[in-house]
Amino acid sequence: GAVVSQHPSRVICKSGTSVKIECRSLDFQATTMFWYRQFPKQSLMLMATSNEGSKATYEQGVEKDKFLINHASLTLSTLTVTSAHPEDSSFYICSARDLTARTYEQYFGPGTRLTVT
Amino acid sequence: EDQVTQSPEALRLQEGESSSLNCSYTVSGLRGLFWYRQDPGKGPEFLFTLYSAGEEKEKERLKATLTKKESFLHITAPKPEDSATYLCAVHPSWGYSTLTFGKGTMLLVSP
Repeated sequence: GAVVSQHPSRVICKSGTSVKIECRSLDFQATTMFWYRQFPKQSLMLMATSNEGSKATYEQGVEKDKFLINHASLTLSTLTVTSAHPEDSSFYICSARDLTARTYEQYFGPGTRLTVT
Repeated sequence: EDQVTQSPEALRLQEGESSSLNCSYTVSGLRGLFWYRQDPGKGPEFLFTLYSAGEEKEKERLKATLTKKESFLHITAPKPEDSATYLCAVHPSWGYSTLTFGKGTMLLVSP
């Protein structure tokens, strides 16, 4: 149980284009999903928290107009990197939590490697 | 501010050589402490949740323990396939759902 998928696993895009990353909870309903980015040899940095049907909460320093998050259903959240630039190249990972389970574990997706050329 | 410090940053072991990883934390009330394993280029894989001091959990060669200030991940007779980065995270008792992660311990087990 508690499987989270991400798509795509890798994406290469040109500077100035937008990229959408999908995060799905496959066997549970994720009332809350989280988006992280991870640079090489560093730990995970939380970008934003999204709750189904409401606006995402962004961490300080994260541009909400650049990283658009939509959590339209209980099993799907999307992160769109708009007008991507090389400095946005990173490993993006989503996680999901089922609040109804009354536990606090977050289950992570396999990650998406974004390279902006 | 919540802080999580993991040590050592890196650890090399021979196959069968048991050891422990440390996670020290400072948090205003602990709702849970989590251990994850992360392989290169992959998302973290959930291992354990510990909720209160004195609690222990085991899974195969791994055993996690918790005190009021730190947690240990004990690895008994490790195998090369245990090589990974082990991440510790805390969930404070205040706030919504966010976790604070340590920087991880990179474990390499040689045959």
